[in-house]
Amino acid sequence: DVKVTQSSRYLVKRTGEKVFLECVQDMDHENMFWYRQDPGLGLRLIYFSYDVKMKEKGDIPEGYSVSREKKERFSLILESASTNQTSMYLCASSQAGTGVANEKLFFGSGTQLSVL
Amino acid sequence: SQKIEQNSEALNIQEGKTATLTCNYTNYSPAYLQWYRQDPGRGPVFLLLIRENEKEKRKERLKVTFDTTLKQSLFHITASQPADSATYLCALAPSSGGYNKLIFGAGTRLAVHP
Repeated sequence: DVKVTQSSRYLVKRTGEKVFLECVQDMDHENMFWYRQDPGLGLRLIYFSYDVKMKEKGDIPEGYSVSREKKERFSLILESASTNQTSMYLCASSQAGTGVANEKLFFGSGTQLSVL
Repeated sequence: SQKIEQNSEALNIQEGKTATLTCNYTNYSPAYLQWYRQDPGRGPVFLLLIRENEKEKRKERLKVTFDTTLKQSLFHITASQPADSATYLCALAPSSGGYNKLIFGAGTRLAVHP
């Protein structure tokens, strides 16, 4: 089974801190994604990457950056955390290409980030 | 504007009945639509995918329909069990998108009572 591992389940940070959220997948997937999930709003795409060192903005990239130095690892960076970035952050991965096996996303368990 | 909507109110049903969840979308022409299950404190888990040229897809007790005219997908769980209690998310792949970028609904919470 594919495993997507997020480094922390819970994080508490202060306003203005630089925050790193780490995600590792073990199935050699090309695509990796960062979503945030807020009550009533669903999952919103922050950034995604379809290859090492490649990244593209999602729907809500402001205040975030990402890094993908190795295929298995995709990091989300909050440059200067703010209270409105308190949320559940979910990492996901998928294979490249078409077909059900490739088009479904595999998610990590999420990181609940609180910014005080 | 583009929207994908699921019932925000929880659906409460009796064990053994069929649960039906709705996903409506506007201003998208999705290539396919997916359904995920999410348990509290966990990430979503993929259940089913249905393409724009398919009317219905089944997997065990699950059935998904896709009506591109109504812009709606229905997700059915037959013979529901308390273990089916969870939040169910629909997600669509915009035809113009790539790299499996999915747009998610906010989810509907299902509670199956014994």
